[in-house]
Amino acid sequence: AQTVTQSQPEMSVQEAETVTLSCTYDTSESDYYLFWYKQPPSRQMILVIRQEAYKQQNATENRFSVNFQKAAKSFSLKISDSQLGDAAMYFCAYSGTGNQFYFGTGTSLTVIP
Amino acid sequence: DTGVSQDPRHKITKRGQNVTFRCDPISEHNRLYWYRQTLGQGPEFLTYFQNEAQLEKSRLLSDRFSAERPKGSFSTLEIQRTEQGDSAMYLCASSSTPSYQPQHFGDGTRLSIL
Repeated sequence: AQTVTQSQPEMSVQEAETVTLSCTYDTSESDYYLFWYKQPPSRQMILVIRQEAYKQQNATENRFSVNFQKAAKSFSLKISDSQLGDAAMYFCAYSGTGNQFYFGTGTSLTVIP
Repeated sequence: DTGVSQDPRHKITKRGQNVTFRCDPISEHNRLYWYRQTLGQGPEFLTYFQNEAQLEKSRLLSDRFSAERPKGSFSTLEIQRTEQGDSAMYLCASSSTPSYQPQHFGDGTRLSIL
């Protein structure tokens, strides 16, 4: 089965600074998709960014970008110009040829004013 | 697009009772997922529907758990003879095909077993 590992339970960043959240995964599939989801306290989980494994170019969405290293099975999220509203749990997720999504254990991000 | 809605938001029950949760997906989404999330963990897959067909169930889903999605619209998740270990947040998500489409999550139902 696929596994997703987030080795940073907690991270903090100064407002306006940049932070990188780490994620590694294990799979034998060649075709898959990777996601970062954000879960603010007591609020819905929402999609932050998505990466298709067949694309070499790293995905970007405004202040959010990923560093996708397929050979290393690494998928990190970079948040630039951090804002107070970025404070949340961040989950890395994997979806392959099956119908399941596999989530990591999450990283709690604190933004310091 | 009113989003994924779940009802109730919070359920408190005594051990041994049955509980049922409801999920209303985004109307044009044909896929519906149920997850369980405990404190400090990511969502854990329970089961998945495409339209009205339940296509996958986690091995973690004991026979006390059952899910339905009649007519491919809303879904219900029932837990019979609840146990302390069932205390968790139960999340519903929906998406369109194909499988790489991102999931849209509801607010979840928090189950507390007394």
